[in-house]
Amino acid sequence: DGGITQSPKYLFRKEGQNVTLSCEQNLNHDAMYWYRQDPGQGLRLIYYSQIVNDFQKGDIAEGYSVSREKKESFPLTVTSAQKNPTAFYLCASSIDRRSREQYFGPGTRLTVT
Amino acid sequence: AQKITQTQPGMFVQEKEAVTLDCTYDTSDQSYGLFWYKQPSSGEMIFLIYQGSYDEQNATEGRYSLNFQKARKSANLVISASQLGDSAMYFCAMREALLLSSGNTGKLIFGQGTTLQVKP
Repeated sequence: DGGITQSPKYLFRKEGQNVTLSCEQNLNHDAMYWYRQDPGQGLRLIYYSQIVNDFQKGDIAEGYSVSREKKESFPLTVTSAQKNPTAFYLCASSIDRRSREQYFGPGTRLTVT
Repeated sequence: AQKITQTQPGMFVQEKEAVTLDCTYDTSDQSYGLFWYKQPSSGEMIFLIYQGSYDEQNATEGRYSLNFQKARKSANLVISASQLGDSAMYFCAMREALLLSSGNTGKLIFGQGTTLQVKP
C-alpha cells in the first residue's frame, strides 16, 4: 500500500533534548512538507522540500531542522531552541510543488515537559 | 498576504440534514486552489474537495460540494445528508499561486477550522 508513515504516533521528551520525527513516503513524490498544529488551530508550515538534497524554511522554521538525503524520507528535528515544541506534527507530500493534492501522514503528537 | 478565515468555531447539525461550513479567503493571486480537509479525532488530514480559481463550475464529490463565489472570495463547504461519522474538525485551505514560478512552494495556508458535531 502506498502512503506516508510517521513514527512514533506519540512522543514524550524532557525539555532541553533534541528529538527527531520520522516521515517516510513510498508514493514517489518529489515534494514533502512539515506542518505544525496547535490545539484548536490550523496547520502552519515549518519546512518544505521540493527535491532531494534541497529544502527551504517555511513560516515557523525557528528551532527546527530537516534533511532530505533520500526521496522517500524527510525527518524533522525539534531542537532545544524551539521554545514551545509541544504540538501535533504532520508530514505531507505531493507529486511536485504544482500538483493539486497533498497527502498527509497520520501525524506525531509531541509532548515536551 | 494570503489568508483563510473560518468564522464558525463549532457547528451542530442533525443527522440526515445538510450543513454549510463557511470559508472566506484573501489573495492577490489570480490563480489559486481552494481545499477542504476533514480531521477526525485521530488526527489524520483527509482531503475532501478541491476548487480551482478558474473552474467555472462548483466542485462536487459525493455528499460534499463547494459553493464557490469568486467575487465574494468565499468557498463554503456543503455537506448533504449528514452522518454521525461526519463529526470532525474541518479545515479550509488555499494553495498559493498555481502558476509555475520559483517562488511557488506549493504550501497550503489553513484556516482555524470548524468543529462539526452531528447529532443523532
